This record gives sequence, structure tokens and C-alpha cells, in this order.
Amino acid sequence: DSGVTQTPKHLITATGQRVTLRCSPRSGDLSVYWYQQSLDQGLQFLIQYYNGEERAKGNILERFSAQQFPDLHSELNLSSLELGDSALYFCASSETGMNTEAFFGQGTRLTVV
Amino acid sequence: QQQVKQSPQSLIVQKGGISIINCAYENTAFDYFPWYQQFPGKGPALLIAIRPDVSEKKEGRFTISFNKSAKQFSLHIMDSQPGDSATYFCAASMLGYQKVTFGTGTKLQVIP
Repeated sequence: DSGVTQTPKHLITATGQRVTLRCSPRSGDLSVYWYQQSLDQGLQFLIQYYNGEERAKGNILERFSAQQFPDLHSELNLSSLELGDSALYFCASSETGMNTEAFFGQGTRLTVV
Repeated sequence: QQQVKQSPQSLIVQKGGISIINCAYENTAFDYFPWYQQFPGKGPALLIAIRPDVSEKKEGRFTISFNKSAKQFSLHIMDSQPGDSATYFCAASMLGYQKVTFGTGTKLQVIP
């Protein structure tokens, strides 16, 4: 168990809908990262937050947004969902913002139908 | 230039054999190269990592070999065990920058 908690584990929703994925980082970790894992794209870095502030952005679509709250948990919001958004979404956390030793959660499997 | 190319896509090794996974990169600014292990239904877990100031790093049965001039690095799993069956990802990043670029993954199956 990495100590990173993601909810829900599975999510099935229809195209055009909006969903929110939640991540609780390991105790003491200030940095949270979001990744998307799909069969054709592999693991893609989406966005990173450090102590409540956006630190780095990767291949995140405009339909997606994230935030990190004062208690350091993070949420990834996906809107106007398309079939191609079906993927595993992972959250990772690290103590610092250096992404050297990031611990991954078990992921949320999103299926868009 | 941000890509990390990984091969093979899948690998079958007999128990006790050596598993070898190779990665190549283009961006010479990368200076941190971790390997992740992912079991089905789990998130990736950091296995071992290397920085380009060393050519080899060993942790138990896992060894990273790094060739800076060729811009290649590889993971060797000695005495492979069925419990090593997982998907392995190489990755690269620049220390101080948060974006980690992952390889496409290698599905390793160790057969008894």
C-alpha cells in the first residue's frame, strides 16, 4: 500500500457528462501529480500541484481541470467527456516538488459509454 | 525530443533467467532515469533509479545500466522469478522539473 488513496476505483459515465476524481496524498506529502494511462498513449503526465498551487502542466486537455485543497487532497475534474477519455487515471504524491520519488495510488478506471 | 522509446513491448523469460529491457532517449537535458514496476490493478511503483553520473546501479536482483553517449539505459533482472511478472516502465525527467516522460512499457512474464 503506497499510502495514496484514490476514489472512486471505478467510474462509468456517459459521453458529455462531468466527473470528479479524488486523491488523498500520503501523510506529509505536499505535491500531487495526475497521470492518465491508456492503451494507446501509455502513461501521460497531466498536471502537478505543490502545496495548493499549480506547479507544472503536461498534456492536460482544456476540458480537464484540477485543484489541490488546503488539506492537500486533490481533485481532477473531467468535463464534456468523450469516449476517448476512457482510461486509468493515477494520482501520485511526493514529499517535495521534485518528482524524484513519487508514490502512486491504485488509480480510478474511467469508462465513458 | 521528449520521447522515451522502450523495447521490447513484451518479454517471456524462464524462471532463473535474465530479463533485459531497453530504453533510449533523445533529450540530453534528462538527468534522472527511474524504472517503475506495475502489477495488474495497481499503480506504478518506483523500482530503481539512476542519474547519469554513474554507469550502473544495482539493487538486489535489479540492475540499471546507463550509457550516456548512446543515450540508452536498460534494466536487467537477474534470476527472474514468477513474482517479477509485471509491466515495467522506464522514465526520464530533468531534476527540478516535474514532468516525467514514461516509456510505453514492457509486459514481462516469467514462466516456471
